[in-house]
Amino acid sequence: DIQMTQSPSTLSASVGDRVTITCRASQSISSWLAWYQQKPGKAPKLLIYKASSLESGVPSRFSGSGSGTEFTLTISSLQPDDFATYYCQHYNSYLFTFGPGTKVDIK
Amino acid sequence: QVQLQQWGAGLLKPSETLSLTCAVYGGSFSGYYWSWVRQPPGKGLEWIAEINHSGSTNYNPSLKSRVTIAVDTSKKQFFLRLTSETAADTAVYYCARGRLVDNVFDIWGQGTTVTVSS
Repeated sequence: DIQMTQSPSTLSASVGDRVTITCRASQSISSWLAWYQQKPGKAPKLLIYKASSLESGVPSRFSGSGSGTEFTLTISSLQPDDFATYYCQHYNSYLFTFGPGTKVDIK
Repeated sequence: QVQLQQWGAGLLKPSETLSLTCAVYGGSFSGYYWSWVRQPPGKGLEWIAEINHSGSTNYNPSLKSRVTIAVDTSKKQFFLRLTSETAADTAVYYCARGRLVDNVFDIWGQGTTVTVSS
């Protein structure tokens, strides 16, 4: 099975900061990676699919990049609504796998 | 606008069976896979199983022996059964719509908190 890791596990940042979260796969997954945002008590929300495609309705300050085994989610200018936990997700051989999550909190 | 609404028992005793229902309102039921995902308290997301409108299923191998997913296309509903519950199954359970083209979950239910305790 393909394992997903994320770094850092927690990130402290201020409003306006540029924030980058990394997701790594244990083997190449081409561009089949998605990113989700989850706020406490809420369901996850899809932000990015196919590594770099922005889901409809998601603000353009969110962007994704990468291919193969290393991927990044970037928030260009952190907004108060962005403090949340972010998960990457991959699908391979009939198995969906999520990364362990990165919590973005207020510095 | 497509919405998923889910319901089911929230408190179970060890060894009991979890049963959850997810109803799809608006949009097409075919053309997607329909999944269950869970999240233990303070932990990450774990995919459980998926099904399509014709009943084709896939299961997480780690749970496969205890999980059944089913569908009622006429009602646009799908279901989860998880047997032999233990405290380790305590989690928020979500239903979600899976897109076939890129295998992501684009619409989610509101979540059901399930607690397993004697």
